[in-house]
Amino acid sequence: EAGVAQSPRYKIIEKRQSVAFWCNPISGHATLYWYQQILGQGPKLLIQFQNNGVVDDSQLPKDRFSAERLKGVDSTLKIQPAKLEDSAVYLCASSSGPPTYEQYFGPGTRLTVT
Amino acid sequence: KNEVEQSPQNLTAQEGEFITINCSYSVGISALHWLQQHPGGGIVSLFMLSSGKKKHGRLIATINIQEKHSSLHITASHPRDSAVYICAVRSGNQFYFGTGTSLTVIP
Repeated sequence: EAGVAQSPRYKIIEKRQSVAFWCNPISGHATLYWYQQILGQGPKLLIQFQNNGVVDDSQLPKDRFSAERLKGVDSTLKIQPAKLEDSAVYLCASSSGPPTYEQYFGPGTRLTVT
Repeated sequence: KNEVEQSPQNLTAQEGEFITINCSYSVGISALHWLQQHPGGGIVSLFMLSSGKKKHGRLIATINIQEKHSSLHITASHPRDSAVYICAVRSGNQFYFGTGTSLTVIP
């Protein structure tokens, strides 16, 4: 079974620029998560989708971050405009759902904002 | 205060040593996950526990629901075990992550 795909793997931008990340979950997984992992910290949930609906976006900085999963499959996460503190690895994960809710993580996108 | 606390934050061991990483949590959980993250790499799930103990190769994970505590043990550690080990708990459909334990095993 193919895993969770993410692109790009690395991105360097200047502050105030925009950036978008793409995620393709495991086929059939209805739940998709975007996490932000700052160096030395554990992942922090940004947004959780169930199919194309948002389940939890309470920690998403909505003034600059947006995410969508229009057809309930692929998802994009956008930052506009980027700040220095957005430098992190952005992880996408998908879940097999109940009963185990096992999460499968993508390789992540490492963002550096200069 | 984080819902999930791990200790130690950093751990250096000699090859062959027995290693223990601890995780305490403060929320009611449905399951606890131990994850492994190699430098520059994605995250791999090692175990999912809701009670008792699981073993896979040289790795053993235990959980005590009453004490809200879990441990990950590595027997006969090897340099390829060097990675960050993350404890995560599921409460409802929410996941809470620890900050990770960075393990370095020296040959």
